[in-house]
Amino acid sequence: QVQLVESGGGVVQPGRSLRLSCAASGITFNNYAMHWVRQAPGKGLEWVAVISSDGRNKYYGDSVKGRFTISRDNSKNTLSLQMNSLRAEDTAVYYCAKDRASGSYYAFAFDIWGQGTMVSVSS
Amino acid sequence: QSALTQPRSVSGSPGQSVTISCTGTSSDVGGYNYVSWYQQHPGKAPKLMIYDVSTRPSGVPDRFSGSKSGNTASLTISGLQAEDEADYYCCSYAGSYTSVFGGGTKLTVL
Repeated sequence: QVQLVESGGGVVQPGRSLRLSCAASGITFNNYAMHWVRQAPGKGLEWVAVISSDGRNKYYGDSVKGRFTISRDNSKNTLSLQMNSLRAEDTAVYYCAKDRASGSYYAFAFDIWGQGTMVSVSS
Repeated sequence: QSALTQPRSVSGSPGQSVTISCTGTSSDVGGYNYVSWYQQHPGKAPKLMIYDVSTRPSGVPDRFSGSKSGNTASLTISGLQAEDEADYYCCSYAGSYTSVFGGGTKLTVL
């Protein structure tokens, strides 16, 4: 059964850090680029970051660049998002999502999603 | 990376057709054939409905179709059913290995 399960969300004060994880099962994890997408309460979806299948290439949305770091451990089928210098506007449900294309390609179409993990940034 | 423009809401009766537009620029929608559409029911994760402008993943009913003209992409749902009531989001590749979503459209089945 194909599944992505996020964890690590919670309540954190502004300026602090938090690390999210996403455990993959039922897919050949090291064969796909992976993304983080977030959704603020009552708002739309926002693309956050992508990492290549081999972990060498990482790209970010403007709103998180320099503060967030995406990484992966293909030996453990795990995707991570290190979030530093958190702001109130980072409050959202964070989803990990699999890219549809395999190998070294990117489709920027997200065919498998986790259930999401909530991050609240508040003092 | 400005969000793509979608109507806030659309509605239709069962059996009718509705079209949701998604307007961007030549730097995203107009520049690439990498537009995708997602359906999201309340409290649920999004579901991929269309990719590469007009391709349906397996399991998505052929009532859902996508197209693009210039800087505007469209999702058409024909033969509306009650279970189609949801939020719909478009998404486009925006160059330099980045992506941008639309603001979302709430579909109401009357």
